[in-house]
Order: sequence, then C-alpha cells, then structure tokens
Amino acid sequence: GAVVSQHPSWVICKSGTSVKIECRSLDFQATTMFWYRQFPKQSLMLMATSNEGSKATYEQGVEKDKFLINHASLTLSTLTVTSAHPEDSSFYICSARDLRGLVNTGELFFGEGSRLTVL
Amino acid sequence: AQSVTQPDIHITVSEGASLELRCNYSYGATPYLFWYVQSPGQGLQLLLKYFSGDTLVQGIKGFEAEFKRSQSSFNLRKPSVHWSDAAEYFCAVATNRNMEYGNKLVFGAGTILRVKS
Repeated sequence: GAVVSQHPSWVICKSGTSVKIECRSLDFQATTMFWYRQFPKQSLMLMATSNEGSKATYEQGVEKDKFLINHASLTLSTLTVTSAHPEDSSFYICSARDLRGLVNTGELFFGEGSRLTVL
Repeated sequence: AQSVTQPDIHITVSEGASLELRCNYSYGATPYLFWYVQSPGQGLQLLLKYFSGDTLVQGIKGFEAEFKRSQSSFNLRKPSVHWSDAAEYFCAVATNRNMEYGNKLVFGAGTILRVKS
C-alpha cells in the first residue's frame, strides 16, 4: 500500500515554543491530508482537513491560530503547534488519500504518528 | 452526528483462539464502515471496509467483519489469533457525504488486543 511518513516521531519542547510536524506521502500524490489528535485511551479526533494549495478546514473547537496547517505541495503537509502548552501534549497522526484513478476507494493511509510532550 | 462505540478497551485471547472485537455505530443512513489496526510505533493500517453489498466482508490477515444493520454493529472476527495480531484495533465510520467531501472518519476509542501464548 501507499506510504505516509511523519517526522518527527516524538518531540519534547518547552512551554511557549512552537513545534512543526511534517507529513509526507512517499509514493503518491495527496491533494487531501487529514490531521488527527489522539489522547491516551481515547479515539482519534479529526482536527483539520488539509487541501493542497488552499486553506485548511478546521473542525469545530480546534483553534486554527494554535494549530497552523500548511499544505504547500502534493506530498507534504505540516502542522505547527504554536506557543505550545502542556495541554497540547498528545499523539498527532496524519493521513492522506491516494487519488490515483477517479474512484475514491475510501482508503486512507496513515502516518506513524508524532508524540508531542510539552514541559 | 455519527459516532462509534467500541465497548471493550482491552481484550486478551490465547494464541489459536477465536477473536471477536465489537463495534457499534450511530448513524441514520447506511454508513461506510472501516476497521484499522495500529501496531506500536506504526500508523494505522486498513484491515477491511464495508460500503455496500455483501454484509460479510473479508479483509487482510485473515480478518472478517459482518455488518448488521438491525444491531448497528460491525464486529471484527478472526477464527484463529496469532501472536502478531497483538495491536490496537479501531473501528471507524464515514457518511456518504463525508466520503464525497474528503473521507472524514469518526473513530471509536480503540480496543487493545493482547495475545497470550
């Protein structure tokens, strides 16, 4: 299957700093990528939908100024957690659709996730 | 709004035993249903999906799931579990509109499967 890679896989930062997480589709073009957040023992919560060349669409309750998403190319989307605080500590996962062909097969390919710890 | 419930947080089965992981969804119309598996340090991998047609769906790694509309369920099964199946399993639902506009999935909380030898 298609491969999605996230970097870094884990990061520790001080409160007040900004952290950037990259999501790359390695062998396909992804016009749409999704960013999820996963709290311990909870499900993945969709944060935003990232569309190449346009502004991201954020889910209700997600602060767009806090979680900056950039999707500048068909293979890269970035999530920047600005002025991070301990409550932003979480597991962030990206996913992407492979749009080869005209049919939406429904399959999303997920990155390995990035664990953020804010001290 | 759609939602997904996975009632079991942890399940432990013996290697070689059968497995059933429960998933219940809430959505008024016919949903699109998915099961994903996540191994430690890895991304989610699609096991199988149901869109329409035959309600018994076969997936990878010997897994299958059955869509039961009357019970709003989509339980995952495997007849004989292998130690390598130990992982976390997520059930997810999407609506027709979600699929058209970008695959928005709503996930259950996940079930951690432990396999004992």
